[in-house]
Amino acid sequence: DGGITQSPKYLFRKEGQNVTLSCEQNLNHDAMYWYRQDPGQGLRLIYYSQIVNDFQKGDIAEGYSVSREKKESFPLTVTSAQKNPTAFYLCASSIRGRRGEKLFFGSGTQLSVL
Amino acid sequence: AQSVAQPEDQVNVAEGNPLTVKCTYSVSGNPYLFWYVQYPNRGLQFLLKYITGDNLVKGSYGFEAEFNKSQTSFHLKKPSALVSDSALYFCAVRDMVKTSYDKVIFGPGTSLSVIP
Repeated sequence: DGGITQSPKYLFRKEGQNVTLSCEQNLNHDAMYWYRQDPGQGLRLIYYSQIVNDFQKGDIAEGYSVSREKKESFPLTVTSAQKNPTAFYLCASSIRGRRGEKLFFGSGTQLSVL
Repeated sequence: AQSVAQPEDQVNVAEGNPLTVKCTYSVSGNPYLFWYVQYPNRGLQFLLKYITGDNLVKGSYGFEAEFNKSQTSFHLKKPSALVSDSALYFCAVRDMVKTSYDKVIFGPGTSLSVIP
């Protein structure tokens, strides 16, 4: 089945630690996105990538980093500079350049601070 | 600036009754409008979209939405609610104004509870 796989489902971060969230898709989509979800705030865009080896900051990129070395993969690193990392993180993908296309989402990763 | 509002944090409806989840938007150009649903601890699933044409759009699971340009609204509706419809619903807009990235703006979400 085609889709987006996020891992792990739950992740715990210690003080000063960097952690990496995995996102893999087999939909052959060019565009991939990372969103952060906090209760009552909807989804906020962290980073997006429209093509391999290129990515752009979203609205809340501070304290996060990404890479896009392969079309299928778009990992997100939450660095120690992110002081409030506890949230539900969602990865999504879509066909690039077509605004009418919907987003496909993974099942999310819940990150908590120990 | 682009924005999406969902004026109700919570909507409660009895099973079998019609339901409405409200959404209003503000964009600089013509909008592409979407509804997504999220079940607990899951990602979002696409329900329906409005691009152009008929103002009444039909989607998955019996849901429909009505685009009203004059009121800048895109309310989600279902004639008869099911308990399994209980979830978090997000309205989203994609602006048609040409930019290097066609950004998707999400509303804050509305929690729907269908009471047996």
